[in-house]
Amino acid sequence: ILNVEQSPQSLHVQEGDSTNFTCSFPSSNFYALHWYRWETAKSPEALFVMTLNGDEKKKGRISATLNTKEGYSYLYIKGSQPEDSATYLCAPTSGATNKLIFGTGTLLAVQP
Amino acid sequence: KAGVTQTPRYLIKTRGQQVTLSCSPISGHRSVSWYQQTPGQGLQFLFEYFSETQRNKGNFPGRFSGRQFSNSRSEMNVSTLELGDSALYLCASSLNAGQPNSPLHFGNGTRLTVT
Repeated sequence: ILNVEQSPQSLHVQEGDSTNFTCSFPSSNFYALHWYRWETAKSPEALFVMTLNGDEKKKGRISATLNTKEGYSYLYIKGSQPEDSATYLCAPTSGATNKLIFGTGTLLAVQP
Repeated sequence: KAGVTQTPRYLIKTRGQQVTLSCSPISGHRSVSWYQQTPGQGLQFLFEYFSETQRNKGNFPGRFSGRQFSNSRSEMNVSTLELGDSALYLCASSLNAGQPNSPLHFGNGTRLTVT
């Protein structure tokens, strides 16, 4: 899998705003899609691993959807908080493997 | 439960030298993978090991090598260091390889600077 694209590259929102990001990937040879959150000076933290077309996963105020036929996933954050400030990375895989192809990420900054 | 431990945290080496980085996965995790993070290239896959076997290798030159031991601990080695090898090297472990219920757990990384 090549050409994993994430948009926007960066996003500045106010506390309380809801926001969403996009991850686009080639739909051929798709197996799973990972989402990670990477805060400054910390290590990347897993948010979701999704495999099924139409799947929707939720973790607190964060949710994600997956469209494997058209090759995209959305990540939503409801009511952004300053602690949500981080880089959000998506990474598809093309098999039962931990060879993840990461996008360049979306940098989210939430202003109090 | 202890997380993924990487040593050392920081390294400064000179061009031409070699370096070995170490990774101890979460207890019980058998899969270990390595990633390189540079400002220009983002996170790039280096290797994946499962039960001491290399399952996948990324598009890196032969100077980059790795191995996994019977206790699942892993090391990666970079020989004949180049300036461009300066990066954050992240190790990640998971219970199984590539299963949806088995996300990656990352260590804090080793920051390598080559002068």
